[in-house]
Amino acid sequence: DTGVSQNPRHKITKRGQNVTFRCDPISEHNRLYWYRQTLGQGPEFLTYFQNEAQLEKSRLLSDRFSAERPKGSFSTLEIQRTEQGDSAMYLCASNPEGRTIYNEQFFGPGTRLTVL
Amino acid sequence: DAKTTQPPSMDCAEGRAANLPCNHSTISGNEYVYWYRQIHSQGPQYIIHGLKNNETNEMASLIITEDRKSSTLILPHATLRDTAVYYCIVSPSGAQKLVFGQGTRLTINP
Repeated sequence: DTGVSQNPRHKITKRGQNVTFRCDPISEHNRLYWYRQTLGQGPEFLTYFQNEAQLEKSRLLSDRFSAERPKGSFSTLEIQRTEQGDSAMYLCASNPEGRTIYNEQFFGPGTRLTVL
Repeated sequence: DAKTTQPPSMDCAEGRAANLPCNHSTISGNEYVYWYRQIHSQGPQYIIHGLKNNETNEMASLIITEDRKSSTLILPHATLRDTAVYYCIVSPSGAQKLVFGQGTRLTINP
C-alpha cells in the first residue's frame, strides 16, 4: 500500500508525559500537513511543510507542540507535557507540489491520542 | 473559520440518489468548492471540486448554482459504504490548508 501511513494508530498516555507521532507521506509528495480532530468536529489545521521547511503554523500549535520533517520525507509531531485537552485524532496528509490549482490532500488513518 | 453551512445530518435509502446541500454565500471569485468525506475511523477522502461549472467524476457530481452561493453534491446510487461525514470546503486557488466545518453526517439505510 502506498498511501499515507501514521504510527502509532493509538496512544494512551498519562497527563504530563511527552508523546511523539510519526507520519510517512506518499513518496514524491513534498507537501505534508498535520491536522487535529476532536470528537464530533471536523479536522483543524495545525501546520504544513514543503520539503523540510515548515511554512505555516496554526495558533492552535502551542509551544508544547513541535513538528519536524528533517529530510523532507517523514514527519514527527511531538507533544510535551500532555494535557487531557490534547486527546484527539491527529491526522497527517500529503500532496505533491504543483497541484496548487486544486487542493487534493491524501490523508492517513490518523493517530488517536488519549490522555488520562 | 469555515465559510460553509451544511445540515448536520441526512438519511438516504440505499440505491437512491443522495443530495447533500452546502451554502457558501460569501464565496470569492477565486475560491473553489471542495467536497471530502470521512468514513468512520478513517482519514478524510477527497471526492470532487469545482469552480463554477458542474463537475462529475466516478464518485459523484457537483452542481454549483450560477451565483456560486450554494452547491449540491450528488451521489447517484448511494450504497451502505457511502455512510460517512461529508465536508464542503471553500478554498482559494493555491491555498494549502483545508478549513473543515462540522460537515453532514450521511446515513444510508438498507
